[in-house]
Amino acid sequence: AQSVSQHNHHVILSEAASLELGCNYSYGGTVNLFWYVQYPGQHLQLLLKYFSGDPLVKGIKGFEAEFIKSKFSFNLRKPSVQWSDTAEYFCAVTPASGTYKYIFGTGTRLKVLA
Amino acid sequence: GAVVSQHPSWVICKSGTSVKIECRSLDFQATTMFWYRQFPKQSLMLMATSNEGSKATYEQGVEKDKFLINHASLTLSTLTVTSAHPEDSSFYICSARTSGSFYEQYFGPGTRLTVT
Repeated sequence: AQSVSQHNHHVILSEAASLELGCNYSYGGTVNLFWYVQYPGQHLQLLLKYFSGDPLVKGIKGFEAEFIKSKFSFNLRKPSVQWSDTAEYFCAVTPASGTYKYIFGTGTRLKVLA
Repeated sequence: GAVVSQHPSWVICKSGTSVKIECRSLDFQATTMFWYRQFPKQSLMLMATSNEGSKATYEQGVEKDKFLINHASLTLSTLTVTSAHPEDSSFYICSARTSGSFYEQYFGPGTRLTVT
């Protein structure tokens, strides 16, 4: 069965620290990949997406992610986090086969200490 | 652009009653809408997919007679939880996509349902 795993459930960082959140998926075919952020009390917002092309994707707010096909991974990175990055981060995958259905990872709660 | 709203944002109902949740795409036409359920501190679980004018497709394990989904127009989908029970208490989130958004979905703010 298709699945998405996020290994870091809770991450606590100090401001200016670097961030890397892991995302691995289980699916044998071509996929589209997404990272969403959910700030406290707000709806899911798209950070970045990968459909094809350059595997290093840059998103909003200084986030980037790298698709490594051989590792079935799509890790999210940010060189220097801010207090305002405190939120929950979800990785999502959809097979590029026309179903359009997302499979979400379990989410990572990030807390940035000021 | 691409704003999705949900109403109500929070609802409390008594066990055995039904409650309807609306999902609207405010500035685009949603060819497909999705309904998710999110338990506390857990991920989003897809409940069903609905296309305008068609019957919803439910995920395995989701009771279609309990969670009635209607996608009557290109801007509105509704989820009705029938004969609600406390175990139905959850956060329900809808999302929408257009034919032009490829695989990207736009999410609503969610509805917190509490069944007493």
